[in-house]
Amino acid sequence: QVQLQQSGPGLVKPSQTLSLTCAISGDSLFSNSAAWNWIRQSPSRGLEWLGRTYYRSKWYNDYAVSARSRITINPDTSKNHFSLQLNSVTPEDTAVYYCAREDGGYSNSFDYWGQGTLVTVSS
Amino acid sequence: DIVMTQSPATLSVSPGERATLSCRASHSVSINLAWYQQKPGQAPRLLIYGASTRATGIPASFSGSGSGTDFTLTISSLQSEDFAVYYCQQYSSWPRTFGRGTKVEIK
Repeated sequence: QVQLQQSGPGLVKPSQTLSLTCAISGDSLFSNSAAWNWIRQSPSRGLEWLGRTYYRSKWYNDYAVSARSRITINPDTSKNHFSLQLNSVTPEDTAVYYCAREDGGYSNSFDYWGQGTLVTVSS
Repeated sequence: DIVMTQSPATLSVSPGERATLSCRASHSVSINLAWYQQKPGQAPRLLIYGASTRATGIPASFSGSGSGTDFTLTISSLQSEDFAVYYCQQYSSWPRTFGRGTKVEIK
């Protein structure tokens, strides 16, 4: 059974960097069919896909255009987890952040999700 | 980006009744459409993918249909645990986009 466990601070000051980690169990970052995503949810923007990392003989990243200048998603192969960094945050970045697995080999959907982390951007 | 529009925003249904939820895509997504259920304080849960294929462990009371731009999620007989918010999501093109949800509430 795949499980995703998120960790990271729930409060970030404006202009600083939001950093979250998603630990994977029951699957591998090196999966040839999975991709590892970050998605956020807020009342104003709904569910919003932010980006993903995946391995297909080498590492790839895809990012939402809206976040591309501020976002980095990195795999940490020694710990089988991946991280999200979002720079220069504003109150608009306040949301519940989820990591999620995209099953590229079967459903092509987000079949496993982390528990969610409410991140508030406030001074 | 493909815009996903769900209707209605809120659906009031009595337990045991049938619920029909709609999702419309701004461009054709073929059958690259998923449905999720979300309860308060929880992450979304995958119900349906490929427009009509139930995910593992999802009861047969949930069914999906449609292709192209118009899709439907039907819950044949609502149980207490089915009252939740339901989202559609397209995976035909990037970025992946979600609808704003339909809240199914107890009538």
